[in-house]
Parts: sequence; structure tokens; C-alpha cells
Amino acid sequence: DSGVTQTPKHLITATGQRVTLRCSPRSGDLSVYWYQQSLDQGLQFLIQYYNGEERAKGNILERFSAQQFPDLHSELNLSSLELGDSALYFCASSEQTLAGDTQYFGPGTRLTVL
Amino acid sequence: AQKITQTQPGMFVQEKEAVTLDCTYDTSDQSYGLFWYKQPSSGEMIFLIYQGSYDEQNATEGRYSLNFQKARKSANLVISASQLGDSAMYFCAMSRRGYGQNFVFGPGTRLSVLP
Repeated sequence: DSGVTQTPKHLITATGQRVTLRCSPRSGDLSVYWYQQSLDQGLQFLIQYYNGEERAKGNILERFSAQQFPDLHSELNLSSLELGDSALYFCASSEQTLAGDTQYFGPGTRLTVL
Repeated sequence: AQKITQTQPGMFVQEKEAVTLDCTYDTSDQSYGLFWYKQPSSGEMIFLIYQGSYDEQNATEGRYSLNFQKARKSANLVISASQLGDSAMYFCAMSRRGYGQNFVFGPGTRLSVLP
């Protein structure tokens, strides 16, 4: 158990809908990262927050947004969902935002868009 | 741009034998970190080992060691005394130092340990 929690574990929804994925980092970690893992694209970094502020952006679509709250939990919002958004979404956390900081991953949320 | 290459889509190893999983990387950064993660069939991502670009000694964590050759830009993972529970996908990743920590993952290698 990494100490990172994600809810829900599974999510099934329809195209055009909006969903929210939730992540709680390990105790004491200030950085939260979101990743998308799909069969054709592999593991893609989406976005990073550090202590409530956006710090780095990767391959995140405009239909997706995220935020980190004062209690350091984070939410990833996915809207106008398409079939191609079906994937495993991981949240990870680290202490700070240094190159040597290990990222610990949550169990993931499996999103299925029908 | 940073890039990670893992040229072995799949590997087989006999139980109790050692195995090396290849990873090469491309970066223009001087300071970076290299990581290996394991993803079993259950789906979670498990951190295995870390190597900093300025670390002179190769990292070791139990049965895992990282063979770091900076000039060749390679960071191979060596698993000694393979166990059946080592069967999984293995990802090599690189982070860059800076304002935001950006991870780049390789495509992964699927390791199968044979009894």
C-alpha cells in the first residue's frame, strides 16, 4: 500500500458526460501528479500540482482540468467524454518537486466510456 | 525533449536466475533522476529503485540494482534470483529537475518468470 488513495476504483459512463476523479496523497506529500495509461498511448503525464499550485503540464486535453485543494487532495475533472478517454487514471504523490523525489502511485481509477 | 526507450517488449527468465531489463534515455538536462516501476497484473504501480544523475555508485534495493552508465545514457534494471512474483510490466522513467517535476515513462517490458 503506497498510502495514496484514489476514488472511485471503477467508473463507467457515457460519451459526452463529465466525471470527477479524486486523489488523496500520502501524508506529508505536497506534490500530486495525474497520469493516463491507455493501451495505445502508454503512460502519459497529464499535470502536476504542488501545494495547491499548478507546477507542470503534460499532455492534458483542454476538456480535462484538475485542482489541488488546501487539504492537498486533488481532483481531475474530465468533461465531454469520448470513447478514447477510456483508460486507467493514476494519481501519484511526492514530498516536494525535486528531480530525486520518488513518486508513489495510487491504485488508479479505471474509466470506461461507452 | 526527454525520451525513454525500452527495446524489449517481452522477456522470459527462469526462476532463481538473474535478468537485465534495458533502458536508454535521451535528455539534454545535466540533472535528472531515473526510476524503475513495476506494474503487476493487478494494475498498481510499485516504485522499485532510483538513481540520480550525479550519483557515482549504482543504486541497489534488495534484489534490484540499477546499472547506470551515464556516458551511454543507459539505466538497466538487474533483478537477481528471480521469483514467480516478479512477473509483471516494468517501466523505466526519468524526471527532470526544475520548477515542475515532469516524469517521462518508457513503453515498458513485460517480464515472465518461468517455474
